[in-house]
Amino acid sequence: KQEVTQIPAALSVPEGENLVLNCSFTDSAIYNLQWFRQDPGKGLTSLLLIQSSQREQTSGRLNASLDKSSGRSTLYIAASQPGDSATYLCAVMTSYDKVIFGPGTSLSVIP
Amino acid sequence: DTGVSQNPRHKITKRGQNVTFRCDPISEHNRLYWYRQTLGQGPEFLTYFQNEAQLEKSRLLSDRFSAERPKGSFSTLEIQRTEQGDSAMYLCASSLEVTNSPLHFGNGTRLTVT
Repeated sequence: KQEVTQIPAALSVPEGENLVLNCSFTDSAIYNLQWFRQDPGKGLTSLLLIQSSQREQTSGRLNASLDKSSGRSTLYIAASQPGDSATYLCAVMTSYDKVIFGPGTSLSVIP
Repeated sequence: DTGVSQNPRHKITKRGQNVTFRCDPISEHNRLYWYRQTLGQGPEFLTYFQNEAQLEKSRLLSDRFSAERPKGSFSTLEIQRTEQGDSAMYLCASSLEVTNSPLHFGNGTRLTVT
């Protein structure tokens, strides 16, 4: 059974810092891994999708990496801003197109 | 393209009542997913449609829950005889019928059972 975990559960950093969020999954048989952002009381916004054959994806100040063999992904956020404050979730797509989410990391960027 | 739309945004109901939520996916998206999310947790998979066919249901989806997508467009999620433990955010997502197509989420329906 696929399980997804995220560390840390919460993170507070001063504005301008670079930071790394971690995601682990137990079954390496995945089609892709996605990182999402969720603001309080809202739905999820897709940030990056890494296909199983890829090692990383970049979008602006965000860079996500994938190491399928070790069951790990990281989301790197450069030069953090207060507007980055949100919960970040990773999710893996398994066979039958089922998408399994981690519990999320709550990020707070202090001005 | 107006994104995924969910109605209502909020629903307060008394225990034992039935409720129905609606999801309108992005128009060209064949796949539609329902998730449930409680505070501080990631979304939990409930069920998944490809066009009008319901391809998978989670064990979380008890007999009181039913989902339909009659014409392969909008979907409804009904909960019968609601219980306090059903209180959660119910999220709908859609995607293209391509393995590496990202999920697009609606803003969810927050259910409170009193």
